[in-house]
Amino acid sequence: KNEVEQSPQNLTAQEGEFITINCSYSVGISALHWLQQHPGGGIVSLFMLSSGKKKHGRLIATINIQEKHSSLHITASHPRDSAVYICAVRGSGGSNYKLTFGKGTLLTVNP
Amino acid sequence: ETGVTQTPRHLVMGMTNKKSLKCEQHLGHNAMYWYKQSAKKPLELMFVYNFKEQTENNSVPSRFSPECPNSSHLFLHLHTLQPEDSALYLCASSQDLGRQFEQYFGPGTRLTVT
Repeated sequence: KNEVEQSPQNLTAQEGEFITINCSYSVGISALHWLQQHPGGGIVSLFMLSSGKKKHGRLIATINIQEKHSSLHITASHPRDSAVYICAVRGSGGSNYKLTFGKGTLLTVNP
Repeated sequence: ETGVTQTPRHLVMGMTNKKSLKCEQHLGHNAMYWYKQSAKKPLELMFVYNFKEQTENNSVPSRFSPECPNSSHLFLHLHTLQPEDSALYLCASSQDLGRQFEQYFGPGTRLTVT
């Protein structure tokens, strides 16, 4: 069992819908990252958070440290949001530069 | 554009070939990373360099040989690879090691071993 689990694995939505992607982890962490990977491979960091909530444009990320759970929300989704969204956690020990990744959630937003 | 470039973007090689992947970062970072992304699997950390010194080798087979001549450049030398090594190889960099520093990723090299 992977230390970082994402759900759903695949998600198809219609343009304008509210999207939620979930991430659960089983280890102690110092931070959690949400990343976006477009077709072609490049990965872009969306959020790094260790508590509470962050918002950037139409994207909102929340984390509940006690429950070891994070969610990524996309409001008013658009076809250009179609990508793989990856959750990654950063350890809390000495090697806290290391990231442990989930398998990703493939989001397709149809016009 | 994240400030991390990788070449080539695509590579097809036979099992007896020798090739190299190149990564360059224009961000003034001190730490660089190689990751492997196989189909339907999470990204796997392969190597970490900090100030040109290797700080992590995540049990990677010796047919993968990294080289970091300076803090801006990172290479991955490949020889006698296996078909299961076909994957997307991603380079990343960060200001330093440590939990407060974000990693910036390159576009990746799609490697196919025939």
